[in-house]
Amino acid sequence: AQSVTQLDSQVPVFEEAPVELRCNYSSSVSVYLFWYVQYPNQGLQLLLKYLSGSTLVESINGFEAEFNKSQTSFHLRKPSVHISDTAEYFCAVQSGGSYIPTFGRGTSLIVHP
Amino acid sequence: DTGVSQNPRHKITKRGQNVTFRCDPISEHNRLYWYRQTLGQGPEFLTYFQNEAQLEKSRLLSDRFSAERPKGSFSTLEIQRTEQGDSAMYLCASSSASGPGPTGELFFGEGSRLTVL
Repeated sequence: AQSVTQLDSQVPVFEEAPVELRCNYSSSVSVYLFWYVQYPNQGLQLLLKYLSGSTLVESINGFEAEFNKSQTSFHLRKPSVHISDTAEYFCAVQSGGSYIPTFGRGTSLIVHP
Repeated sequence: DTGVSQNPRHKITKRGQNVTFRCDPISEHNRLYWYRQTLGQGPEFLTYFQNEAQLEKSRLLSDRFSAERPKGSFSTLEIQRTEQGDSAMYLCASSSASGPGPTGELFFGEGSRLTVL
């Protein structure tokens, strides 16, 4: 069975500060990992994904995540956040033998001016 | 490409009534998913279609829930004899991935919010 734990339900930060949103997963087989973002009053959209290859993946708006197999983690980081990054962030895992991505409960990133 | 469309966006119903939601995925996307999301929680898997075939269904899904995807195009999710606990946002997502392997990117609709009084 696959599962995802997002340890923080809410992360408040000031604009231009760095941020890390934590994600740990549980799976007995190889995994594919995803971060989705949901802006207020919008649907979920893919932020970045790890399928294979380099363990460090980046998004077009400055976020990055690193797949750490030994720690079963896929933490999301950004060195300097903007007000516009305020949103709900969901980590998701899909095991190699499954067609179904499983989502975490989400972390609300709140960026203060 | 107009994205994933869901209707209705909001539905208020009385307990015991039946409701139906429709999802129009991105054309030619062969994978279609239904998820349910409640306040403060992430999307919870309900069911999955590969073309017109319903390949997986959550064990948490009661027999009051049924979904179809005729001809592998749009999909409907019906809830019979609604209960207050069914109040949630129902999300539809589609993917162009084919065959085994990762789903890749899921494209989500904006959801259908159900309120059961």
